Amino acid sequence: QSALTQPASVSGSPGQSITISCTGTSSDVGGYNYVSWYQQHPGKAPKLMIYEVSNRPSGVPDRFSGSKSGNTASLTISGLQAEDEADYYCSSYTSSSTLLFGGGTKLTVL
Amino acid sequence: QVQLQESGPGLVKPSQTLSLTCTVSGGSISSGGYYWSWIRQHPGKGLEWIGYIYYSGSTYYNPSLKSRVTISVDTSKNQFSLKLSSVTAADTAVYYCARGDFWSGYLDYWGQGTLVTVSS
Repeated sequence: QSALTQPASVSGSPGQSITISCTGTSSDVGGYNYVSWYQQHPGKAPKLMIYEVSNRPSGVPDRFSGSKSGNTASLTISGLQAEDEADYYCSSYTSSSTLLFGGGTKLTVL
Repeated sequence: QVQLQESGPGLVKPSQTLSLTCTVSGGSISSGGYYWSWIRQHPGKGLEWIGYIYYSGSTYYNPSLKSRVTISVDTSKNQFSLKLSSVTAADTAVYYCARGDFWSGYLDYWGQGTLVTVSS
């Protein structure tokens, strides 16, 4: 199974909005509403930010939102803050009952 | 609050078997509703899902690692374990354990991770 495709890097200024894409196939992203997103700061464990495409766990700011269209899922961060600078990973459940991660996207807050 | 903690040797020799244990506190592995997962991250690289186990013992593995991986569970100790055989330097990584939702697989609680280096 190949990794889901994410852009290597994105950047934005404080207050702006950015979107990170995550492209898979009909056997994973496109086939299920089981896409999740994780934030990882250097040296830390990943943190769940979005689950089941668009749901936010308790405590995650509503600046973070998720969506999906076809085989591509997206994470949008609005009102960008300095603390949002981190690596972001998408993940999807697959038709083989396995999990698949994206390659990760480094978000830089200018 | 569920907490997970990885433990095991930080250094493994090539061709040997890497063994890690994840101890779960604040919740019971036997309660159901969750898969118990292992994920790794090579230095400076992205996340790689290794596999997961249900409390009943059902397992699913990453196809690329399946021939070398065994995940087991000990409900009496509220622990689950990872064994990766015939390791090489390419298996050097930070290994995480995590709790995954049974239906959609999202990973809501993670351990802090443990670095395992494969070197002679």
